Amino acid sequence: QVQLVQSGAEVKKPGASVKVSCKASGYTFTSYFIHWVRQAPGQGLEWVGTINPGGGSARYAQKYQGRVTMTRDTSTSTVYMELSSLRSEDTAMFYCAREGASSSLDYWGQGTLVTVSS
Amino acid sequence: DIQMTQSPSSLFASVGDRVTITCRASQGISNYLAWFQQKPGKAPKSLIYAASSLQSGVPSKFSGSGSGTEFTLTISSLQPEDFATYYCQQYNSYPLTFGGGTKVEIK
Repeated sequence: QVQLVQSGAEVKKPGASVKVSCKASGYTFTSYFIHWVRQAPGQGLEWVGTINPGGGSARYAQKYQGRVTMTRDTSTSTVYMELSSLRSEDTAMFYCAREGASSSLDYWGQGTLVTVSS
Repeated sequence: DIQMTQSPSSLFASVGDRVTITCRASQGISNYLAWFQQKPGKAPKSLIYAASSLQSGVPSKFSGSGSGTEFTLTISSLQPEDFATYYCQQYNSYPLTFGGGTKVEIK
């Protein structure tokens, strides 16, 4: 069965970076894009970007260009999202999600809470 | 960017009610529209893709329709487990964008 398991909650100080992982299992890792979606406390869903685990290319939302980097490790079927220059407004839950054969987001990770606080 | 507008933002309904949520796109997106259900403290769950196709395992009380710029999600007979927030999302073009959500609450 398809599973996406994310790393645990993080607490960071302003200006620091955070790296969140998303480990995939139950399918061919390199065949499906992974997306990252952000949800601020009590707010809606916002797309952050996507990575092609096959070739490693990534595409980011303009809002995060220059601050976000998505990478993958095919040996462990894991995708990473690193967000730098953190500020308090970055406090949010981050989800990874698989883009299925239908091109929609069919499976989601459990989420990783990133808290930015001095 | 394509803006997705959901209405209403919240609604109160009773068990057994038929509920309809609307999602409008700021430009045509063909049928590249998905619906998600999110319960408090949980990740979103995929319900519908391609505007009207049910994800595997999703009960048939959920249905979707529409094409172009106007879409609807219908829950035929609301059950206690259906009280949640619902989001539409377009995947016609990048950046992917979501509607603001519709919170379905118990009357």
